[in-house]
Amino acid sequence: DAKTTQPTSMDCAEGRAANLPCNHSTISGNEYVYWYRQIHSQGPQYIIHGLKNNETNEMASLIITEDRKSSTLILPHATLRDTAVYYCIVRVQFMNRDDKIIFGKGTRLHILP
Amino acid sequence: EAQVTQNPRYLITVTGKKLTVTCSQNMNHEYMSWYRQDPGLGLRQIYYSMNVEVTDKGDVPEGYKVSRKEKRNFPLILESPSPNQTSLYFCASGYRTNTEAFFGQGTRLTVV
Repeated sequence: DAKTTQPTSMDCAEGRAANLPCNHSTISGNEYVYWYRQIHSQGPQYIIHGLKNNETNEMASLIITEDRKSSTLILPHATLRDTAVYYCIVRVQFMNRDDKIIFGKGTRLHILP
Repeated sequence: EAQVTQNPRYLITVTGKKLTVTCSQNMNHEYMSWYRQDPGLGLRQIYYSMNVEVTDKGDVPEGYKVSRKEKRNFPLILESPSPNQTSLYFCASGYRTNTEAFFGQGTRLTVV
């Protein structure tokens, strides 16, 4: 089972910031939070990841709460091309044999013109 | 260009006719995996491999086989396909210590 809980769907107006929440209350100390997105049946695409500090790259920002039980992915200026399913995943960084990358059902983000 | 390549992209076949979907990566990744994606069920892992000659079952392995004879290839084998294996399949790869998994573009399989 996925270790994360995300809303099924969200809407965001084009040009506004899209804030996608994720709950991961059972996260372990060595587990990272990863975000991927999948645009219309294409292969999922990596966005960003973090352990406990906030992270930013050219695509998005990741805000992780101090207790690490939840996080928010922020797309600062959403465009229509950001319409996709966004997956929040918890996983260790160094993978051993029993470690898997488990996807939940994600959040379907609709960017509205 | 770094990529994960799946073939074929689309396949229609008949029940019981053995088929293989190939997956190849050019990034020297240790980790490779197969997922299937069905409406309402999300991405479910079929098999994964941490290195050559090491494969493990994911959440939905029944009806599938895999092999990892060399690092770059991880074929998915359906010995006797059935209609309930009609799905969109994705192959993924990554370093065991790296940050991201790379996905192929998908194979849409229909079994009639």
